[in-house]
Order: sequence, then structure tokens, then C-alpha cells
Amino acid sequence: GENVEQHPSTLSVQEGDSAVIKCTYSDSASNYFPWYKQELGKRPQLIIDIRSNVGEKKDQRIAVTLNKTAKHFSLHITETQPEDSAVYFCAAGTTSGTYKYIFGTGTRLKVLA
Amino acid sequence: DSGVTQTPKHLITATGQRVTLRCSPRSGDLSVYWYQQSLDQGLQFLIHYYNGEERAKGNILERFSAQQFPDLHSELNLSSLELGDSALYFCASSVAGGGNSPLHFGNGTRLTVT
Repeated sequence: GENVEQHPSTLSVQEGDSAVIKCTYSDSASNYFPWYKQELGKRPQLIIDIRSNVGEKKDQRIAVTLNKTAKHFSLHITETQPEDSAVYFCAAGTTSGTYKYIFGTGTRLKVLA
Repeated sequence: DSGVTQTPKHLITATGQRVTLRCSPRSGDLSVYWYQQSLDQGLQFLIHYYNGEERAKGNILERFSAQQFPDLHSELNLSSLELGDSALYFCASSVAGGGNSPLHFGNGTRLTVT
């Protein structure tokens, strides 16, 4: 079935460095790619999203890139801060056929002060 | 506050029992999704309802069932509970029926099966 692979599963960076998380999806009908941040014990919250007709989107220190041909999309966080420490999930949504919203396995990001 | 309400916050029950988890979506949202998150694990998609109808089904066990009512709230029923069903169950809502809009998550129901 459809799935979303996410790498790495854990990532440690020094404060101020950049972090990159990568996802690959399998369903070619997927056309919506959001990223969620889940802090310990809390609910996931949307931080940025991108649609299939756009190659890149940026919001302050966060950016997402999409390569539809390769079925890859990535989250880039620049100038990381301790409060960026959390689990990040990518997801792929499909507006036809299965109408599924599949999440990646998550990346635990730790920003070291 | 996401506007999505899940009750109860915690449930502790014994193996073999049945429980019902309830979710009220954000005002105006027609879609409700259910996810299961086991300890330190990802978000496993269970089922999606849109405006009262089942839209998509994921890895939902036959012991589990769900429905969305005319007022758009949803219930997830878990029966013949096993220890492995212990998890955090999230409900999320979105305005659209397809998988092309942000999900707004509730705070989850933590189920412990003893």
C-alpha cells in the first residue's frame, strides 16, 4: 500500500546549525505535503505545507522543497534553536482515489545548546 | 487550542473490554481522521470520515469501528481490547474531504489496557 519513508529517525544538531529531514512517498497521486511538529506529550501541529504545483516554500527559518519526479520532499530548518527540539512528521495527502493522509515515521530532532 | 475536542483524556481498562472514544471536530470542518500513536511511534492512520460517510480506511483492526454522526462528531469504538492496543489515539479534523488541507489535532485520548 501507500507509504511515506522519513529519514533520519533521529537528528542532533548544535544550536545555530541547520537541520534537514527528508521524506519519500510512494503514491504518485499524492499532491499535498504538510509537515507537523509534535512536542513531548502534545498534539502534532502543522508548521508548513506545500502543494504539488509548487517546488519550494519558505516561512522564516523553515523551508520545504518538493521534487515530484523523484517523489521526494524535505524540511529545512535554519538557525536552529533549543525550542525546535521535537518530533517532526512529514505527510502525504491524496485528493482522489484513496483520499488518504499518510504520515512518515517521524524524526526526533534535538538541538544542543 | 485547535478547536478539536477529544474525550476522555485518559482511559484505563482491562483486556477484553470495550471502550468508546469521542471526537468533536472544529466548527466548519467536515472531515474527521483517527490515528493511533503507540509509545515513541509514528501516527498510524486508522480511518477517515467526511460529512458522515467513510472516506478511507487504513490499518484499522476488525475489533475497531468508527462512525461520524449527523452533527459531525465521531466515535471510535475499540472492542476485545488487548495489551497492545494501549496507545494515544488522536482525532484530527479538516475542512476538506480530500487529503489536501491541514489537519487540526485534538489533544488525544490515552488508552491504557491492563
